[in-house]
Amino acid sequence: GQSLEQPSEVTAVEGAIVQINCTYQTSGFYGLSWYQQHDGGAPTFLSYNALDGLEETGRFSSFLSRSDSYGYLLLQELQMKDSASYFCAVTGNTGKLIFGQGTTLQVKP
Amino acid sequence: GAGVSQSPSNKVTEKGKDVELRCDPISGHTALYWYRQSLGQGLEFLIYFQGNSAPDKSGLPSDRFSAERTGGSVSTLTIQRTQQEDSAVYLCASTQSRQGGTDTQYFGPGTRLTVL
Repeated sequence: GQSLEQPSEVTAVEGAIVQINCTYQTSGFYGLSWYQQHDGGAPTFLSYNALDGLEETGRFSSFLSRSDSYGYLLLQELQMKDSASYFCAVTGNTGKLIFGQGTTLQVKP
Repeated sequence: GAGVSQSPSNKVTEKGKDVELRCDPISGHTALYWYRQSLGQGLEFLIYFQGNSAPDKSGLPSDRFSAERTGGSVSTLTIQRTQQEDSAVYLCASTQSRQGGTDTQYFGPGTRLTVL
């Protein structure tokens, strides 16, 4: 089967750095994606890792270790607007995305 | 169009009635996905289309749920004899290619279904 685990909630202060971890089990693996969803909004794409290593996009970075079936999303210089839910998702050999349950990030002043 | 659109944005129905939810993907996107999201939960995969065919229907929760896609564009998700546990936000997403993870999924705003 396929499953993903990520923390349910994370709290951090403005300006800090936070890391959201994701471990997965999947039948076949093409890549790990991260999506952001604000309350009442639709998920929006943040990043995609197919190969091991770190991908950086502005304040956000995503890391993948295929051998460990593990990845993380790193958010730097946190802003209040970063308060949202963050989902990791894997693409297995069926070609569809399987999402984790999401991590609610609360950024405090 | 500029993005994925879904209609209606909100639907309130009585238990036992049928509902039809519509998704208009981004023009030219070949793959279309339906998800369900209950309050405070993750996204539950329902079905995906590559063109007009559905290679994977494994996420449909019961035979009351069905979906079709015509002309490689618009898709409708139909729920027959709705139950209260069907209440959720139904999200549609489209991508350019057949691999949902290698291409960005663009999500619509969702349809919030409430079954009384």
